[in-house]
Amino acid sequence: NAGVTQTPKFQVLKTGQSMTLQCAQDMNHEYMSWYRQDPGMGLRLIHYSVGAGITDQGEVPNGYNVSRSTTEDFPLRLLSAAPSQTSVYFCASSRRGGTEAFFGQGTRLTVV
Amino acid sequence: EDQVTQSPEALRLQEGESSSLNCSYTVSGLRGLFWYRQDPGKGPEFLFTLYSAGEEKEKERLKATLTKKESFLHITAPKPEDSATYLCAVQLQGAQKLVFGQGTRLTINP
Repeated sequence: NAGVTQTPKFQVLKTGQSMTLQCAQDMNHEYMSWYRQDPGMGLRLIHYSVGAGITDQGEVPNGYNVSRSTTEDFPLRLLSAAPSQTSVYFCASSRRGGTEAFFGQGTRLTVV
Repeated sequence: EDQVTQSPEALRLQEGESSSLNCSYTVSGLRGLFWYRQDPGKGPEFLFTLYSAGEEKEKERLKATLTKKESFLHITAPKPEDSATYLCAVQLQGAQKLVFGQGTRLTINP
């Protein structure tokens, strides 16, 4: 069972560069979300989607874009990376109205 | 403002020494409270969901309880493999998204 797959696992970017963090799930979950995890801050919600074609902002959306063209995929785009975006990023999925959220293994991003 | 606070930030125990982790919450309306375990370099792994005050769930050496203001994760006779960061999260009524606490880093010494 693949579950939630994130790529890449590690990435170093220069300030101003752009990139896309990939997230795919094979559980046919309607709900998907992106979090960032920083020391002492816990997990903070960036963007989420309740289904294909529907996205919304979370707690810390600035500097990030998302789209949801299929049920399976929910990529996170950094348009112009900044050092403040250095963090570990987690993608999660769950059934609509469901309880348990399944998380990917994370992407550790460093912006220099 | 919806808020979730976990204490302590870090806890060191000897193998076999039981203790409890606390998760207190201030939310407009609680749909559910979740406990996750996170190992270094890994994503959070689901442990329990609690929905109403008085509810309890158990899994091996872990037991989660819920009141109207807080949840406890009780660890009985822990082993070194129980070392991890334990995360608490709440799901609000009418919403699907989760609000997380900062986590408690638990270390069990052999």
